[in-house]
Amino acid sequence: GEDVEQSLFLSVREGDSSVINCTYTDSSSTYLYWYKQEPGAGLQLLTYIFSNMDMKQDQRLTVLLNKKDKHLSLRIADTQTGDSAIYFCAESPSGGSYIPTFGRGTSLIVHP
Amino acid sequence: DAEITQSPRHKITETGRQVTLACHQTWNHNNMFWYRQDLGHGLRLIHYSYGVQDTNKGEVSDGYSVSRSNTEDLPLTLESAASSQTSVYFCASSEFGTSSAEQYFGPGTRLTVT
Repeated sequence: GEDVEQSLFLSVREGDSSVINCTYTDSSSTYLYWYKQEPGAGLQLLTYIFSNMDMKQDQRLTVLLNKKDKHLSLRIADTQTGDSAIYFCAESPSGGSYIPTFGRGTSLIVHP
Repeated sequence: DAEITQSPRHKITETGRQVTLACHQTWNHNNMFWYRQDLGHGLRLIHYSYGVQDTNKGEVSDGYSVSRSNTEDLPLTLESAASSQTSVYFCASSEFGTSSAEQYFGPGTRLTVT
């Protein structure tokens, strides 16, 4: 079945780069997404990448996709304390479903 | 601006009581979803709807029900609240089409069952 795996925690120092990794299993996914959940709030779409792309850059965010290994990563440059949140990886549905498959989320802790 | 709202934001109830959590979206999206979020489990899908009068069970639907009488609202009812239903509940919506996995989430309802 479909599954999206992420490590649960990542701790970085302010100003360093953060890299959050994700593996997925559905090779037919068209889109892969990163959502951010700040404390006490719902998830918010951060960025996404089409499956025919290898990389997407958006200001401090870089998404890398290795389709062969079904590996997705999110790099945050110059990580700030405001980046502390839970980051969810998600793959788009396939087979006529409209339900994405979410990972369990990676808690990013940024310390001074 | 379009938005998705949930009410109440916090609720404490007793075991055995019926509880309804409201979700209202002004995106005019056809798809609506209810998730619960628990430590160690991430997001789990409870129920979802692809349009008016359409409802479907998710992976953890036991003890929950939904109804969809219009496009904007998908209330979630706990028929007889149990302590295992203490959780944070999120409503989400999305549109049909190729961007259907792009979901818009509400702020969540924290439910405590005592």
